[in-house]
Amino acid sequence: DAGVIQSPRHEVTEMGQEVTLRCKPISGHNSLFWYRQTMMRGLELLIYFNNNVPIDDSGMPEDRFSAKMPNASFSTLKIQPSEPRDSAVYFCASRPGGGNQPQHFGDGTRLSIL
Amino acid sequence: EDKVVQSPLSLVVHEGDTVTLNCSYEVTNFRSLLWYKQEKKAPTFLFMLTSSGIEKKSGRLSSILDKKELFSILNITATQTGDSAIYLCAVFTQGGSEKLVFGKGTKLTVNP
Repeated sequence: DAGVIQSPRHEVTEMGQEVTLRCKPISGHNSLFWYRQTMMRGLELLIYFNNNVPIDDSGMPEDRFSAKMPNASFSTLKIQPSEPRDSAVYFCASRPGGGNQPQHFGDGTRLSIL
Repeated sequence: EDKVVQSPLSLVVHEGDTVTLNCSYEVTNFRSLLWYKQEKKAPTFLFMLTSSGIEKKSGRLSSILDKKELFSILNITATQTGDSAIYLCAVFTQGGSEKLVFGKGTKLTVNP
């Protein structure tokens, strides 16, 4: 079975540019999560969707960040404009709906903003 | 604010040693506690614990939860170099916003 698929694997861009990260969750999973991981702060939840609907976006740092899930098999996380402090590894995870189920993570996008 | 604290932050051992990793938590509406192993890429799921005192075991790894004292331990016996990784503890909360709250992890290095 294919796991959670993220693209790109690496992104290096200059500050001020728009960055779009993509995620394809595991087929049949109802919930999708975006995380950011840094050395200082560890893994932080940014936003999560349930059945394509954003449920909790309290972790989104500021208005420069936005996320969408237009259908059950695709989500994007966009940063516009990007800043050097956004440099981190961004993970997408998904899990089946209902009950106690673990989240399954993609391999992440390593983002560097120069 | 929900909080998960892991200790130690890092640990260096020799192959064959036994290690114990700690995770304590303070959350509202606890649902379950999860352990993940993160090597170079994605965190991979190890265990989910929901009930106190019931040990979960997978090969050389085992884990147990104490819901009264609000902590969990992850044990690894006869460590191997392949066990080197960051071990993440996370608590799954329930309620209006169901989410995983992660600790910062324990970085384990197993030397030959």
